[in-house]
Amino acid sequence: GENVEQHPSTLSVQEGDSAVIKCTYSDSASNYFPWYKQELGKRPQLIIDIRSNVGEKKDQRIAVTLNKTAKHFSLHITETQPEDSAVYFCAASIRGAQKLVFGQGTRLTINP
Amino acid sequence: ETGVTQTPRHLVMGMTNKKSLKCEQHLGHNAMYWYKQSAKKPLELMFVYNFKEQTENNSVPSRFSPECPNSSHLFLHLHTLQPEDSALYLCASSQGGQTNTGELFFGEGSRLTVL
Repeated sequence: GENVEQHPSTLSVQEGDSAVIKCTYSDSASNYFPWYKQELGKRPQLIIDIRSNVGEKKDQRIAVTLNKTAKHFSLHITETQPEDSAVYFCAASIRGAQKLVFGQGTRLTINP
Repeated sequence: ETGVTQTPRHLVMGMTNKKSLKCEQHLGHNAMYWYKQSAKKPLELMFVYNFKEQTENNSVPSRFSPECPNSSHLFLHLHTLQPEDSALYLCASSQGGQTNTGELFFGEGSRLTVL
């Protein structure tokens, strides 16, 4: 079955700097790659996703890149702000929401 | 209420108790899920229901018994649990079938402690 590895487990950056979180997946049939953000004590929420027919997707300060050949994808957050502090989870699936396999999560801390 | 709501938010039970977690979604979705979230471990998919039918059981022990009476409600019945079952149990919903966009909408979770 699918296996998703996520790095780093913790990340601390200065406010205004960029943050990058990386994930690798094992199943070459996976075609959907979402990223979820979970603030302390809150529910996980989808922030951006990408499908295998696209190499990059951007939404304001957030971007995701996908390298199908290497089977890895990354989340990039630019101009980080204190409200970006949260745990971020990547996931991969061969069937949309129905079979998501999540990474271990990255705790991102933005230092003022 | 809107979105996905879970009750109770906190539950403490002994290993011999029987309790249930409840989830209700007001989004008109037809797929519902149970996930387990333990410290320092990835979110683990437990069960998936599509149009009230169970379509995924991710090798979950039988002491966890799901029930989906309709597309809006999902239960997780708990019986003879172990301390290692202590975790946050998250319910989620999504569009199912051909309209599956991929996005999961999570509830706030039920924090379970097994003594």
